[in-house]
Amino acid sequence: QVQLVQSGTEVKKPGASVKVSCKASGYIFIYYHIHWVRQAPGQGLEWMGRINPHTGDTKYAQKYQGRVTMTRDTSISTAYMELSSLTSDDTVVYYCARGKATGFLDYWGQGTLATVSS
Amino acid sequence: QSVLTQPASVSGSPGQSITISCTGTDSDVGGYKYVSWYQQYPGKAPELLIYDVTNRPSGVSDRFSGSKSDNTASLTISGLQAEDEALYYCSSYTTSTTLVFGGGTKLTVL
Repeated sequence: QVQLVQSGTEVKKPGASVKVSCKASGYIFIYYHIHWVRQAPGQGLEWMGRINPHTGDTKYAQKYQGRVTMTRDTSISTAYMELSSLTSDDTVVYYCARGKATGFLDYWGQGTLATVSS
Repeated sequence: QSVLTQPASVSGSPGQSITISCTGTDSDVGGYKYVSWYQQYPGKAPELLIYDVTNRPSGVSDRFSGSKSDNTASLTISGLQAEDEALYYCSSYTTSTTLVFGGGTKLTVL
């Protein structure tokens, strides 16, 4: 069965970076995009960007351009999302999700809470 | 501020039908048949309910259906059940090859 398993809770200081991993199993990793979506406490979903694991090509939401980096390691079927220059506004849950060509996200990771606090 | 506009809340009684709207622009909802809907319970990851406007993944109840007219997509839930009480989000592919979400709608089953 398809599974996306994310890394654990993070606590970071303002100005630091956070790197979240997303390990895929149950399907051929390079055949589907991995998207990253975030959700602030009590708020809605926000798309951050996606990576094509086959080519490494990325597309980021304009809001995060210059601050986010998405990478992948095909040898271990794992995608990564790194966000830099963290502020308290980045205290959110980060989700990875498998994406089809038309953009729908059919499997999601369990979420990773990142807390930014001095 | 979300790009796609959804009502903040809707409610209905068990057995009734409700519809949640999702309004975008020609650059997203109106430009493609690539609208999807997600259901999210508190503390859980979202789950896919509808994709490509009208399609249901395997395992999703046929009580959930989707449609689209111009720049507005809709999710209809028929035969409301207590377990349907959750948050619902729409999403659309865009002309910029990005994804956008709606602000979410809280469904209350009375």
